[in-house]
This record gives sequence, C-alpha cells and structure tokens, in this order.
Amino acid sequence: DADVTQTPRNRITKTGKRIMLECSQTKGHDRMYWYRQDPGLGLRLIYYSFDVKDINKGEISDGYSVSRQAQAKFSLSLESAIPNQTALYFCATSPWGPDNEQFFGPGTRLTVL
Amino acid sequence: AQSVAQPEDQVNVAEGNPLTVKCTYSVSGNPYLFWYVQYPNRGLQFLLKYITGDNLVKGSYGFEAEFNKSQTSFHLKKPSALVSDSALYFCAVRDITSGTYKYIFGTGTRLKVLA
Repeated sequence: DADVTQTPRNRITKTGKRIMLECSQTKGHDRMYWYRQDPGLGLRLIYYSFDVKDINKGEISDGYSVSRQAQAKFSLSLESAIPNQTALYFCATSPWGPDNEQFFGPGTRLTVL
Repeated sequence: AQSVAQPEDQVNVAEGNPLTVKCTYSVSGNPYLFWYVQYPNRGLQFLLKYITGDNLVKGSYGFEAEFNKSQTSFHLKKPSALVSDSALYFCAVRDITSGTYKYIFGTGTRLKVLA
C-alpha cells in the first residue's frame, strides 16, 4: 500500500550497531504501530502510538525504541542490534474507532549478523 | 486475555475447489474480528471484518467469512479457489476491553492452491 511507506526495504547490519527503520503515511491516521513478523509466530506488537504525544509499549518492546516525529512519521530504533532481532518489520496505521482495520507498509527485512 | 488461534499452519486445496481457513477466538465481550492476506514480499492487506450484524461477511477477491458465536469461530471461505489465492492468511481480533484497542494476530495459515 503506497499510502504507508517504509525505509529501508532491506538492511543487513552487524551485532551492536544502531539501526533506525522509518515509516511514513499519507492516510492522515492518528494511530501507528510497529510489528515484527517471525515464521510461525505471526505478528507481534513492538510499539504503538495513538498520537504524537502518546506512545505505548507492545508485547516485545525490549531492545527497541520509537519516535513519533509527526502525525505522519513513526520511527523504530534498535539501539544495539542482536541476531535474534533478525525479522521482517511492519509499520501499520489505523484511524480512530474500534471497528477500523489497519493499513500496512511493505515491510523491512532486517538481518543482524 | 483476548486471543485468536489458527489451528492449521498450511492448507492445500485444488484450484476450483472450495477453501476454508480456520480461525477461533477467545474474547470477553463482543468480538471485532478481521482477516488479512499477505502475498510474498508484501505487507498485509485487509480482506474483511466482522463487527456486528450478519454472520456471513463478504470481502475482497471473492472471500467471505462466517462468524459463529457458539463455536467462537470466524472461518475464511471462498467457493472456488484460484492459484493466485496462494498466500499467507492472518486472523486478528481487536482488544476493545482494555482500552488499548490493540490488534491481536494469529500465527498465520499458508494457503497453497494447486493447479
């Protein structure tokens, strides 16, 4: 979905390096999310944000941090990457309201050596 | 705690045959249920949702899903499978009881449609 973009699309890095994954959206949604996808585990929530001043930890936030620079931008950082953070990372957005679906970016494939 | 389960890691079906991808849920209160599809090297795409109303929900690409409250299930169906339906399918439930409105995803089911 071109309305939600992620950069980079692929990244290979080394253990201990700091990495930032960026997400931008043009859908005008307040809510943004970061997930990681691992085979057999589905999608797990890392962080979510309901607006610029509201950021919340998900189920697997250890080792990650986020920044909501604007309504349209939500970045995920790995302060010191480790191999078990090798995964596919997705950003998603949704509008307000409990009955609304999410819109996903194309994903970033991160490999930590 | 809210949860969803997708009991099958993979489903194989012949092209032209009906397909079913299973999902069961556990929620307190009324469930808000979703199905998404993920094609290779792509993000998840929304297929359909059940919020309230008719138990049979119709969605994109000819898919539909049947909500069954007594069996706590929300199975995805299609009358006639296409090879292009081969993808990874995720069921999700929205947690509306804790106030967080987080989405909780199943582990995914890989659908393989054989020509």
